[in-house]
Parts: sequence; C-alpha cells; structure tokens
Amino acid sequence: DAGITQSPRHKVTETGTPVTLRCHQTENHRYMYWYRQDPGHGLRLIHYSYGVKDTDKGEVSDGYSVSRSKTEDFLLTLESATSSQTSVYFCAISESKGEGNQPQHFGDGTRLSIL
Amino acid sequence: TQLLEQSPQFLSIQEGENLTVYCNSSSVFSSLQWYRQEPGEGPVLLVTVVTGGEVKKLKRLTFQFGDARKDSSLHITAAQPGDTGLYLCACNQFYFGTGTSLTVIP
Repeated sequence: DAGITQSPRHKVTETGTPVTLRCHQTENHRYMYWYRQDPGHGLRLIHYSYGVKDTDKGEVSDGYSVSRSKTEDFLLTLESATSSQTSVYFCAISESKGEGNQPQHFGDGTRLSIL
Repeated sequence: TQLLEQSPQFLSIQEGENLTVYCNSSSVFSSLQWYRQEPGEGPVLLVTVVTGGEVKKLKRLTFQFGDARKDSSLHITAAQPGDTGLYLCACNQFYFGTGTSLTVIP
C-alpha cells in the first residue's frame, strides 16, 4: 500500500471553528490532492498541489485553503467551519499529473462532522 | 452538472450472478479509470483504459472503453461477496462519477 497517512481520522467540531486536516506521504510523489466525498456527489476535488508551495483550486475550493511547505505534507484548512463542510475528506497522491496510466493512491479518509 | 454519470446507483445481487455497471458522459476522454472503494477506506485503482474499444480483464472483471471514448462498462462474472464495494469511474485525473454501490449476498 502507498504510504499515505491522514490525521485525524475522525473529528467533531463546532460551526465557526478552524479545522486543519493533515496528509503525510512517504512516497516522495510530486502531486497531492484533497477531495471530499458526499452521498450523491461522489468524490470532488477541493485543491491539489504540484510541488512545494505550488497549489491550485479544484471544483469545490470555496471555504478551504491548503498549504504544502514540504514534499511529504499537504494540509487542508477550513478557516471557519460550516455544517455544509461535514463530509469525508480524502487525500491522494500521484507521481505525475495527466492522463493515461497515472493512478492516484488514496489515504483512508478523515470523517469530519461540524455541529 | 455531473461530468460522469454512473448507473445503477445501487445494486444488490446474489453470489454467483453476473452484473454490469456503466459510466457515461457526453464528453470524450483520452482515458478513463475504474476504482473500487470499501467501507472506511480510500478508493483503489482497478484499471485504466485508454483506447476506444479497448477491453481489459482482471480475473472475473471485464472493463470496456466505448468506441467513441465517451462511456465505459464494468462487467463482473460470478460475483462473490468480496466484490462488495463502491465502484467509481474517473476521468481527466480529477473527475469522479457518483459511483455504483454493489452488495453481493452470500
């Protein structure tokens, strides 16, 4: 299995509080991604990174920010959590971006509940 | 608007039956990937198809990419309880379908 660790695995917090989720990889892959998974919507890309300090927005980036200060770590921050951000969050990594045989490897997810 | 539409959304079958799930779009893709996700885990890549009309087999799973590269199907022969999971198609690296949740009853 690809070395991807997400922390925490579960979190319950209140509306308006800041939340940071961490993704740590040991594969030295250049690309890292944050997705959210909701019933009826599948996986939707929030942000991704193509190198240290290089990030870009995904389909559902509003209300989220990311940072990547080291190759191995990609942080997702909810500055002021809202109930609509209750979801399961997945981190993924890949060696390169693009199509063809470039699979993404996923972590086991973080279940976030905002009350 | 969902780029990739998967059907059916839910499927419950008896062990030993065959099934097909579909992934459709109005867009043309240069490649398409299929993942399987088990409860409490992240998706795991099963296969990537890149050529129109391509057929790939993975044991009892057969994947086909449409000739026009707008659709794909996954056929499972003689389903087993271990096939239970959420099957997701994905294109252009970032876009995932809503998934087909398969339950195989022993």
